[in-house]
Amino acid sequence: DSGVTQTPKHLITATGQRVTLRCSPRSGDLSVYWYQQSLDQGLQFLIQYYNGEERAKGNILERFSAQQFPDLHSELNLSSLELGDSALYFCASSVEGTPSTDTQYFGPGTRLTVL
Amino acid sequence: GESVGLHLPTLSVQEGDNSIINCAYSNSASDYFIWYKQESGKGPQFIIDIRSNMDKRQGQRVTVLLNKTVKHLSLQIAATQPGDSAVYFCAENDYGGSQGNLIFGKGTKLSVKP
Repeated sequence: DSGVTQTPKHLITATGQRVTLRCSPRSGDLSVYWYQQSLDQGLQFLIQYYNGEERAKGNILERFSAQQFPDLHSELNLSSLELGDSALYFCASSVEGTPSTDTQYFGPGTRLTVL
Repeated sequence: GESVGLHLPTLSVQEGDNSIINCAYSNSASDYFIWYKQESGKGPQFIIDIRSNMDKRQGQRVTVLLNKTVKHLSLQIAATQPGDSAVYFCAENDYGGSQGNLIFGKGTKLSVKP
């Protein structure tokens, strides 16, 4: 158990809908990262927050957004869902916000299925 | 763009044997490398990391080797056990890219035969 929690574990929805995924980082970690894992694209970095502020963006679609709240939990919002958005979504956290020096610890993921 | 890749997509070993999982990286400026293990239905689990100022680092039953000359990374697992069966990912920091965030390889599936 990494100490990172994610809810829900599974999510099934329809195209065009909007969903929110939630992540609580490990105690003491200030940085949160979101990743998407699909069969054809592997594990792709989406976005990073540090202490409430966006720090880095990766391959995140404009239909997706995220935020980190004062209690450091984070939410990933996915809107206008398409079939291709079906994937595993992982949250990771680290103590600070420097990926090249900080170990990232991953949560168990949310499996999103868009029908 | 820069990418991290793997030589072998699948690896099958006998229980008790040593396993070697290989990874090639393309960005010579990358200075931080990590191996993660992902079991079915779970998130990636940190195994071991290494910085570019080192060429070898050992953990419990695992060793990571870094050869910067040929941009190659390997993970050695000693006395492989059934519990080691998983997909193993190497990752490098995206130096000069998304503020150093991680780029993951596609993964190697390790299957341990009893």
